[in-house]
Amino acid sequence: QQPVQSPQAVILREGEDAVINCSSSKALYSVHWYRQKHGEAPVFLMILLKGGEQKGHDKISASFNEKKQQSSLYLTASQLSYSGTYFCGTPWNTGKLIFGQGTTLQVKP
Amino acid sequence: DAGVIQSPRHEVTEMGQEVTLRCKPISGHNSLFWYRQTMMRGLELLIYFNNNVPIDDSGMPEDRFSAKMPNASFSTLKIQPSEPRDSAVYFCASSPGDRGREETQYFGPGTRLLVL
Repeated sequence: QQPVQSPQAVILREGEDAVINCSSSKALYSVHWYRQKHGEAPVFLMILLKGGEQKGHDKISASFNEKKQQSSLYLTASQLSYSGTYFCGTPWNTGKLIFGQGTTLQVKP
Repeated sequence: DAGVIQSPRHEVTEMGQEVTLRCKPISGHNSLFWYRQTMMRGLELLIYFNNNVPIDDSGMPEDRFSAKMPNASFSTLKIQPSEPRDSAVYFCASSPGDRGREETQYFGPGTRLLVL
């Protein structure tokens, strides 16, 4: 089943923070985060493999709560370049990823 | 590395015509994925190959769609006959195929298909 992301859309000013959530009704064994800029392909950001894990990529970090079957992506002091659509992906046992519906982030000057 | 290569990048065709999309995965990658992206339905997985064998085609919408992977460096997605509702961006992605939960997918630039 498709993971659910919230919110669907966020509008920020440069320098503001944002949180994007991803939750699943199925047990999560890992969570993948991708970003897609307008007119481009999705690009891998990071993967979280175990509960309690946190990772960072520039000023973008993520956490994974295995028990709650959810992950959160944190964007700190957002920059214009952060604009795009963020997808979380959860793996199925056949090896494929099921992506959430995406969260559109717009950072304004 | 050249990354995942897709062709054509843009395709405009008329309803009823056959459309063939092509993909060359990253060398050494054993898994290949075809996705379709639309505003209404988001990013949908159509079919997934591992070692050139289709593993999961549950996302293929109907018999008009078919996909092949004759060798490790080439895959095609064919739509015959095409319909206006097939208009979308089609992405191909590849991954190493041997890293379990750590698999990272690398997407190609996509093919923008418009069926008139």
